[in-house]
Amino acid sequence: DTAVSQTPKYLVTQMGNDKSIKCEQNLGHDTMYWYKQDSKKFLKIMFSYNNKELIINETVPNRFSPKSPDKAHLNLHINSLELGDSAVYFCASSHELRRLFFGPGTRLTVL
Amino acid sequence: AQTVTQSQPEMSVQEAETVTLSCTYDTSESDYYLFWYKQPPSRQMILVIRQEAYKQQNATENRFSVNFQKAAKSFSLKISDSQLGDAAMYFCAYRRGTSGSARQLTFGSGTQLTVLP
Repeated sequence: DTAVSQTPKYLVTQMGNDKSIKCEQNLGHDTMYWYKQDSKKFLKIMFSYNNKELIINETVPNRFSPKSPDKAHLNLHINSLELGDSAVYFCASSHELRRLFFGPGTRLTVL
Repeated sequence: AQTVTQSQPEMSVQEAETVTLSCTYDTSESDYYLFWYKQPPSRQMILVIRQEAYKQQNATENRFSVNFQKAAKSFSLKISDSQLGDAAMYFCAYRRGTSGSARQLTFGSGTQLTVLP
């Protein structure tokens, strides 16, 4: 009965590779998000998306792209991974202005 | 742009005592929401408490309460009767009160709380 799930929980990969992180929510929420938490624990919004609007944080490199096959899924694709991409990535969802529910996070390590 | 500031990178409290975590924010909006999230070592983000800016009454959830000072743009979290399980990173967060792109949260830098037995 997990509300927001992410796979994988851990991802170790080489620099230059392309990888994806999947996110699914079973709450019927209308908006999904991706956050990045860096090594200093700072949380920063990357994308927010509902079926009408994709908002991209202007500081996010275009190597990162969200893809939503349907309202319950928002996957994160990362091309040409760099060392600085190592972080914990959180997916979240919400309905209208209600609270955000977070996934368990994916720890990405780029070697 | 909205900013959220947590000026205490680390705090400690004795078990059963009370601790207050500080948070200030900057906004030109009149309608918004404020949150405290807890992140234990498991890294799961857990909502602790939420406050609507239009409500004058401070939110309370069991041992957790806030001191919301709208004019001062201050939103502190008080934890009473601290327990070992309260040890975590605590994040203050802000969200505008309108739809669309405003739904995202802006987080502070966090306060690492240690609870001493």
